[in-house]
Amino acid sequence: AQSVSQHNHHVILSEAASLELGCNYSYGGTVNLFWYVQYPGQHLQLLLKYFSGDPLVKGIKGFEAEFIKSKFSFNLRKPSVQWSDTAEYFCAVNPDTGRRALTFGSGTRLQVQP
Amino acid sequence: DGGITQSPKYLFRKEGQNVTLSCEQNLNHDAMYWYRQDPGQGLRLIYYSQIVNDFQKGDIAEGYSVSREKKESFPLTVTSAQKNPTAFYLCASSTGEAFTDTQYFGPGTRLTVL
Repeated sequence: AQSVSQHNHHVILSEAASLELGCNYSYGGTVNLFWYVQYPGQHLQLLLKYFSGDPLVKGIKGFEAEFIKSKFSFNLRKPSVQWSDTAEYFCAVNPDTGRRALTFGSGTRLQVQP
Repeated sequence: DGGITQSPKYLFRKEGQNVTLSCEQNLNHDAMYWYRQDPGQGLRLIYYSQIVNDFQKGDIAEGYSVSREKKESFPLTVTSAQKNPTAFYLCASSTGEAFTDTQYFGPGTRLTVL
């Protein structure tokens, strides 16, 4: 079975700092990769996803992620964070076989200080 | 206004009682999902349904039951057999057409066992 690891559990940054959140998955076949975000008091929502093509994908609010197949990684980045980026971020994987349901990582809580 | 509704927002249960969490969607999605969210553990799949009158166990189905009698509804029952039911429960839906589908999430129900 596939699994997802997010090694940064809690990240604290100042506004304008650069962000990189790590995500590694374990699955040998073709995967579809997702980043979801949960802002305080809001629904979990899709930030971006990768399933084929350019391994650098851009999402909403200036976020991007790079799929590196050789490293089984899908790290999330943003060049300059804002206070409004304070949220919990979840990486998820859905292999191209078997059940059509996501396997999530444990999440990273990002706190941006003004 | 399309979306997913979950009720109630907060639910308190005495030990030994069964409770049912409601999930309704008006997105005309075929697939629906139930996840459990615990601090530091991300989201874990309880049950999912790809189509009406069919559902499958997820990773942590013990102590839970579901039904899918209507396309728009996917209620989750937390039974007395669930040893540690206090958690945040999230319902989601998707078109169910592909492994690349985006899942859309409801606002969640926070269940507390007294």
